[in-house]
Amino acid sequence: GQSLEQPSEVTAVEGAIVQINCTYQTSGFYGLSWYQQHDGGAPTFLSYNALDGLEETGRFSSFLSRSDSYGYLLLQELQMKDSASYFCAVRVPTGANNLFFGTGTRLTVIP
Amino acid sequence: DADVTQTPRNRITKTGKRIMLECSQTKGHDRMYWYRQDPGLGLRLIYYSFDVKDINKGEISDGYSVSRQAQAKFSLSLESAIPNQTALYFCATSVHGGSPKETQYFGPGTRLLVL
Repeated sequence: GQSLEQPSEVTAVEGAIVQINCTYQTSGFYGLSWYQQHDGGAPTFLSYNALDGLEETGRFSSFLSRSDSYGYLLLQELQMKDSASYFCAVRVPTGANNLFFGTGTRLTVIP
Repeated sequence: DADVTQTPRNRITKTGKRIMLECSQTKGHDRMYWYRQDPGLGLRLIYYSFDVKDINKGEISDGYSVSRQAQAKFSLSLESAIPNQTALYFCATSVHGGSPKETQYFGPGTRLLVL
């Protein structure tokens, strides 16, 4: 089976940097994705790591260490609109290379 | 127009009733998925479909059935709704081989309340 752990809540100040960690245990592993979900909205794709290292997309970066079964999402220059839930999801070699989602981290950005 | 649409957006029903949630997409994707989201439990996969003739059970398929009427349409049915099926339901799509990321694109969700 699959299990993922991420903090349930994080609070950070506008303009600051915040890191959301994700550790996973899976039977097989293709990669780690991150999705953002605003209250009342749909999850939207942020980033994907298949190999070790850092992927940067604007203010957001994502890191993966396959040997440590660990990844994180880094958000820089936080804005109020970044307040949302963030889900890590592992892509595993099941029939459809399905995604298994973590339980989400609720990020609150305060002034 | 939205690429992935879901109807209805909100639904209240009673225990034992049969209901259908519908999903349509204009993205031309071959793969479609149904998830449910419960507070504190994240997203869990109910069913997925590679194409019209391929339907597969996900993590939590008991009590649900699906129909892939066309490449663009994927419906989720609750044959006899029960209160613990109260949840937020999302449809998603992806394209196989189109991207190494296999990004999934989600619809706006259907909020279902079973009394």
